[in-house]
Amino acid sequence: GDSVTQMEGPVTLSEEAFLTINCTYTATGYPSLFWYVQYPGEGLQLLLKATKADDKGSNKGFEATYRKETTSFHLEKGSVQVSDSAVYFCALTRGETSGSRLTFGEGTQLTVNP
Amino acid sequence: GAVVSQHPSRVICKSGTSVKIECRSLDFQATTMFWYRQFPKQSLMLMATSNEGSKATYEQGVEKDKFLINHASLTLSTLTVTSAHPEDSSFYICSARVASGPLNTEAFFGQGTRLTVV
Repeated sequence: GDSVTQMEGPVTLSEEAFLTINCTYTATGYPSLFWYVQYPGEGLQLLLKATKADDKGSNKGFEATYRKETTSFHLEKGSVQVSDSAVYFCALTRGETSGSRLTFGEGTQLTVNP
Repeated sequence: GAVVSQHPSRVICKSGTSVKIECRSLDFQATTMFWYRQFPKQSLMLMATSNEGSKATYEQGVEKDKFLINHASLTLSTLTVTSAHPEDSSFYICSARVASGPLNTEAFFGQGTRLTVV
């Protein structure tokens, strides 16, 4: 079946550091890929998505590129801020949108220190 | 727009009692709602998919008689954990798919409910 694997956390960085959170997936066909963010006490929010190979999703300085050859969708940000501290989830779906059922990774806790 | 409210955010109950969790779409109609569960240090696992006016579809291994899901209107779905036990302690989160409009292909999440059974 479909599965998503994220790098283990927690991840602790200093402000303005470069961030990479690795995500790889296993799925047949051409899934759509997502990154969600969960701030403390809040629900999951869609951060970015990509629906086909080589697509790059981007939002709020975060980027991820759909790499079919390596089945990866790594999340990157060039300069993190304290406000980026949250849990990040990688996910996939067979549909083109998050309106279909999602398969999630384990989540990665990010803490950014001033 | 596209706000999903889940209530309560935290609940503690005694073993053997039942707990109801509500998931409301506040400013849109949702034909489909999803219920997920998350154990500590693990990923969100889909429990069931509910469509307004019909029976929920449960994932393999999820007891439908224990986790009762009702989706009686386009803005409300409920999950009732019946005869709760400590192993039911978990983080439960719902998502709702917009029924129509420009956001009609995306799903939006509630803030989750932390259930502790003592």
